[in-house]
Amino acid sequence: GAVVSQHPSRVICKSGTSVKIECRSLDFQATTMFWYRQFPKQSLMLMATSNEGSKATYEQGVEKDKFLINHASLTLSTLTVTSAHPEDSSFYICSARGSRGATEAFFGQGTRLTVV
Amino acid sequence: AQSVTQLGSHVSVSEGALVLLRCNYSSSVPPYLFWYVQYPNQGLQLLLKYTTGATLVKGINGFEAEFKKSETSFHLTKPSAHMSDAAEYFCAVSVKVTFGGYQKVTFGIGTKLQVIP
Repeated sequence: GAVVSQHPSRVICKSGTSVKIECRSLDFQATTMFWYRQFPKQSLMLMATSNEGSKATYEQGVEKDKFLINHASLTLSTLTVTSAHPEDSSFYICSARGSRGATEAFFGQGTRLTVV
Repeated sequence: AQSVTQLGSHVSVSEGALVLLRCNYSSSVPPYLFWYVQYPNQGLQLLLKYTTGATLVKGINGFEAEFKKSETSFHLTKPSAHMSDAAEYFCAVSVKVTFGGYQKVTFGIGTKLQVIP
């Protein structure tokens, strides 16, 4: 199957700093990428959907100024957590689809963010 | 809006026993249905999916699931559990977003499978 690479797998940052997480589709062009957040022992919560070349669509309750999403190319999307706080500590996962009508999305390995 | 209900956040089975993980969905339009597996601190791996056609779908690692429209269910089964099956399993439903044309996926809360030697 298609490969989605997410980097870094783990990151620790200080409160008030910003962290960037990258999501790359290695062997296909991803027209749509999704960013999820997973709290301990809970399911994945969709944060936002981004289509290449356009602004991301954020889910209700997700601060777009806090979680900046950029989908500048068909193989790369980034999530930047700005002015991070301890409550932003979580597991973030991206997924990518090759076309708008594609039935399957491929997931990255996830990023464990810890804000101290 | 679509939703997914996974009955049982934790399931324990003995090695070699039948695995049954339950999933019920709600959708106003014909959905696509998925089962994913997640190992600790990793992303999700697709086990199997139902889109159209045959209602019994077979996936990787010996898992299969049957789409039952009348029961709005998509339960995951495996005849004989292995120790390596211990993981968290997520059922998901996907419907097409009217504006944007892409599929939006909603996940269940997950079921943690424990396999007892």
